Amino acid sequence: QITLKESGPTLVKPTQTLTLTCRFSGFSLTNSGVGVGWIRQPPGKALEWLALIYWDDGKRYRPSLKTRLTITKDTSKNQVVLTLTNVDPVDTATYYCVSCVTETCFDFWGQGTLVTVSS
Amino acid sequence: VLTQSPATLSLSPGDRATLSCRASQSISTLLAWYQQKPGQSPRLLIYDASHRATGIPARFSGSGSGTDFTLTISSLEPEDFAVYYCQQRSDFITFGQGTRLEIK
Repeated sequence: QITLKESGPTLVKPTQTLTLTCRFSGFSLTNSGVGVGWIRQPPGKALEWLALIYWDDGKRYRPSLKTRLTITKDTSKNQVVLTLTNVDPVDTATYYCVSCVTETCFDFWGQGTLVTVSS
Repeated sequence: VLTQSPATLSLSPGDRATLSCRASQSISTLLAWYQQKPGQSPRLLIYDASHRATGIPARFSGSGSGTDFTLTISSLEPEDFAVYYCQQRSDFITFGQGTRLEIK
């Protein structure tokens, strides 16, 4: 059974750095073709892809946020970490951890974690 | 850019639903569809334009290639009323703005 779970702060102040952790189970990020990523959804708005990391440490970022995003993996802990620097209230959203394991991206989703950026 | 239409679709259980997603440039068949119910995470329905994901009922089908894609729900069940998103992976990854399928 594949599961993903996000964790991190619920409230972040403007200009701070947001760090989110995704802990997953049921698959390994060392297997060829496997990836884990992040997608966010501002309240009442559409989905927005942020970043993706693959089994071979290949990384892809949303072009408009590339300078602010970093995605890393720790295969020994089965976790992926996303950092977003210099946050702004427009970064307020539910952040989802997602996988690319079986058929395609994004086949499994975490429950999401709501992050509010406010002073 | 992915453009979904209509923004809102009002239908009754048992009706046939046809949702559209148009890409601003050709994306071959690199398109997926997701369903999101209120307060829930999205769920993958269709990938590569026409392949149903594991466990998805046969009433859901996808078609199209190039720039025009369609998600069809052959006979609406009460649990199908939700928001539907298309997503492409040809040029980075982007989502459409969603179509809200509501009960008439």
